[in-house]
Amino acid sequence: GNSVTQMEGPVTLSEEAFLTINCTYTATGYPSLFWYVQYPGEGLQLLLKATKADDKGSNKGFEATYRKETTSFHLEKGSVQVSDSAVYFCALSDLRRDDKIIFGKGTRLHILP
Amino acid sequence: GAVVSQHPSWVICKSGTSVKIECRSLDFQATTMFWYRQFPKQSLMLMATSNEGSKATYEQGVEKDKFLINHASLTLSTLTVTSAHPEDSSFYICSARTGRTDTQYFGPGTRLTVL
Repeated sequence: GNSVTQMEGPVTLSEEAFLTINCTYTATGYPSLFWYVQYPGEGLQLLLKATKADDKGSNKGFEATYRKETTSFHLEKGSVQVSDSAVYFCALSDLRRDDKIIFGKGTRLHILP
Repeated sequence: GAVVSQHPSWVICKSGTSVKIECRSLDFQATTMFWYRQFPKQSLMLMATSNEGSKATYEQGVEKDKFLINHASLTLSTLTVTSAHPEDSSFYICSARTGRTDTQYFGPGTRLTVL
């Protein structure tokens, strides 16, 4: 079945550092890929998405490119801020298969001032 | 746009009582709503999917008689945890979508603590 694997955290960086959170997926079809962010005590917010190979999703300085050849969707940001501290979830969904979103286990990010 | 609210945001109850959690789509009609459970420092586990006017579809291992889901209107779904026990303590999150799209909008979550 479909699955998502993302790097374990926590990840601790200094402010203005470059961020990469790795995410790979396994899917039999053609899923859409997502990154969600969860701030402390809150629900999930959609950060960005990509619906087909080579698409790049971007939002708030974050980017991720749908790489079918490596089955990856790594999240990157050039210069992180303290306010980016949160838990980041990689996810996929394939409506041709079912209605479910498959989430990775989440990566906790701490940004130090 | 696409705001989903949950009420209450947190609730503490005694073992054996029932608790109702509401999920509302504030500015769109939610044809489908989803209920998730999240344990500390873990990912979201889908509990059930509900379509307006239909019975909910529960995931394997989720007790439908314990977690009652009602989706009576296009803007409201409720999750009732019946005869709650301490092991039901968790963070419950709902999401909603309109039509058959791959984008779900998530509520802020409800933290349930059963004493």
